Amino acid sequence: NAGVTQTPKFQVLKTGQSMTLQCAQDMNHEYMSWYRQDPGMGLRLIHYSVGAGITDQGEVPNGYNVSRSTTEDFPLRLLSAAPSQTSVYFCASSSTGTGRTRNQPQHFGDGTRLSIL
Amino acid sequence: DQQVKQNSPSLSVQEGRISILNCDYTNSMFDYFLWYKKYPAEGPTFLISISSIKDKNEDGRFTVFLNKSAKHLSLHIVPSQPGDSAVYFCAARGGNNRKLIWGLGTSLAVNP
Repeated sequence: NAGVTQTPKFQVLKTGQSMTLQCAQDMNHEYMSWYRQDPGMGLRLIHYSVGAGITDQGEVPNGYNVSRSTTEDFPLRLLSAAPSQTSVYFCASSSTGTGRTRNQPQHFGDGTRLSIL
Repeated sequence: DQQVKQNSPSLSVQEGRISILNCDYTNSMFDYFLWYKKYPAEGPTFLISISSIKDKNEDGRFTVFLNKSAKHLSLHIVPSQPGDSAVYFCAARGGNNRKLIWGLGTSLAVNP
């Protein structure tokens, strides 16, 4: 059981380049999310999805796109990279339930370290 | 405006003693609270959680206490071990909202 897998682990981009950060989970989780972590800022939510075909914006969505065509995959796209997007990016997933099973923790990947020059 | 606050950026404790990490929140709608541990170059790992219907939850060396009237929760680690040295994040959410609100973390150093 691999859990949440993020690729690549490291990436260096030039300003203006585009790229896609991959995230896959094998736990059949409905909820998936992308965070960025910057020094002194904690974890900030970029985009999230409550199921295939459904996505929504988080706290810091500008400059990023997401899609959710399958339950397993939730890629994050940088359309035109900017130095301000240099960060560590984490993908997380959790199951969703109701009633007594409503509270489920999020499980994280090991992150993608992205530098934009 | 931070809804989840961890006011101590760092904490240093001797091995074998108790570590107490604190977290305050402002939103009275929060009803589920979680603690995560994070080592360098790894993703956060879920540690323990508590629902607002409880005031204490225990899992081995880790206990989380919730004081709803004070909007305060704490994580106790007893006894502390060097392997517990990590950054600890407090997170919260409320109602049917799946989004977690995160504190900025407390870096714990357990000294041998």
